[in-house]
Amino acid sequence: GAVVSQHPSWVICKSGTSVKIECRSLDFQATTMFWYRQFPKQSLMLMATSNEGSKATYEQGVEKDKFLINHASLTLSTLTVTSAHPEDSSFYICSAVRDRAYEQYFGPGTRLTVT
Amino acid sequence: QQQVKQSPQSLIVQKGGISIINCAYENTAFDYFPWYQQFPGKGPALLIAIRPDVSEKKEGRFTISFNKSAKQFSLHIMDSQPGDSATYFCAASKGSWGKLQFGAGTQVVVTP
Repeated sequence: GAVVSQHPSWVICKSGTSVKIECRSLDFQATTMFWYRQFPKQSLMLMATSNEGSKATYEQGVEKDKFLINHASLTLSTLTVTSAHPEDSSFYICSAVRDRAYEQYFGPGTRLTVT
Repeated sequence: QQQVKQSPQSLIVQKGGISIINCAYENTAFDYFPWYQQFPGKGPALLIAIRPDVSEKKEGRFTISFNKSAKQFSLHIMDSQPGDSATYFCAASKGSWGKLQFGAGTQVVVTP
């Protein structure tokens, strides 16, 4: 149990375009999901907290108009990188938490390359 | 500033040996301390976690030791295997649904 999927697993896009990444909890309902980005050989950096049915909460320094998060259902959250630039190239990872639980389960990640 | 400090940055251990990774935290409100294992190009996988009401938790070859007074916790990997070669992250959070504060990570290499 506690499987989280992400789609796509990798994507290449041109500078200026937008990219949507999906995060799904496959076998449990997740009231809360988190979005992280990770640069090579670095730790995970929390970008935002996504709560079903409400607006996402962004960490300091993360542009909310650039990284749009929508938590449309208890099993799906999406991250849209708008007007992508090469510096947005990174590994994006989501995690999901069961109701009233502590454990965060991570998805396999999405490698974004902006050319 | 990093709320969870992890050491060492990297570790090389022979097959069959013990890998030890240490973490320290400052925020006494933290009440959940997980360890994650990450392979290159993959998302982190929850390995083992502990709450502050116990001092040790063991699952298979993996053991967490927790010292509340020292605000430190560690991961011990017994009988290390080449398949354990990965990056390990400690983390801490406060309350259910809490945001995880990650350590910097430790790259473990187990030599045959």
